[in-house]
Amino acid sequence: DAGITQSPRHKVTETGTPVTLRCHQTENHRYMYWYRQDPGHGLRLIHYSYGVKDTDKGEVSDGYSVSRSKTEDFLLTLESATSSQTSVYFCAITQTGGPNTEAFFGQGTRLTVV
Amino acid sequence: GQQLNQSPQSMFIQEGEDVSMNCTSSSIFNTWLWYKQDPGEGPVLLIALYKAGELTSNGRLTAQFGITRKDSFLNISASIPSDVGIYFCAGPTRDLMTTDSWGKLQFGAGTQVVVTP
Repeated sequence: DAGITQSPRHKVTETGTPVTLRCHQTENHRYMYWYRQDPGHGLRLIHYSYGVKDTDKGEVSDGYSVSRSKTEDFLLTLESATSSQTSVYFCAITQTGGPNTEAFFGQGTRLTVV
Repeated sequence: GQQLNQSPQSMFIQEGEDVSMNCTSSSIFNTWLWYKQDPGEGPVLLIALYKAGELTSNGRLTAQFGITRKDSFLNISASIPSDVGIYFCAGPTRDLMTTDSWGKLQFGAGTQVVVTP
């Protein structure tokens, strides 16, 4: 199994509060991603990183920010959580950004915003 | 943006039956990936396809990369209870605005498989 750890695994927070989710990898992979999973939508990319301090937006980036100060850690921050951000969040890693890319996923973080 | 249309949305099958699902796109993909997600877990890669027409097996699973490069199929033969879960197709999109573009995966909405004894 790929060494990917997400924390926390579950969190309940109030609307308007900041929340940070952490993804930690031990594979030394260059690329890291944050997805959210909602019923009927599959997985949708929030942000991704292609190196330390190099990040870019995905298709559903509004309301989220990310940081990557070390190869092994990729943080996802909800500056002011809203109920629409209740979801299951998955971190993923890939070794390269090339066309034959295979992604490995963490176990997910279930976030509930009340 | 590019969309992957996955069908069916759900399947209720009896143990021992075969399962077929497919994924189509209006755009060409150079790679097709099939993932399975068990309840409460992250997706796990089942099969990766890299060439048009390619047929690849992984145990009871068989997947094909369509000749047009716009579709892919996954078959599960002789289903067993542990086949229950959500199956996703995925392919790397190409964002012409960035150089590190192939790592972004576009996912289908998933096929929920339920296996009854």
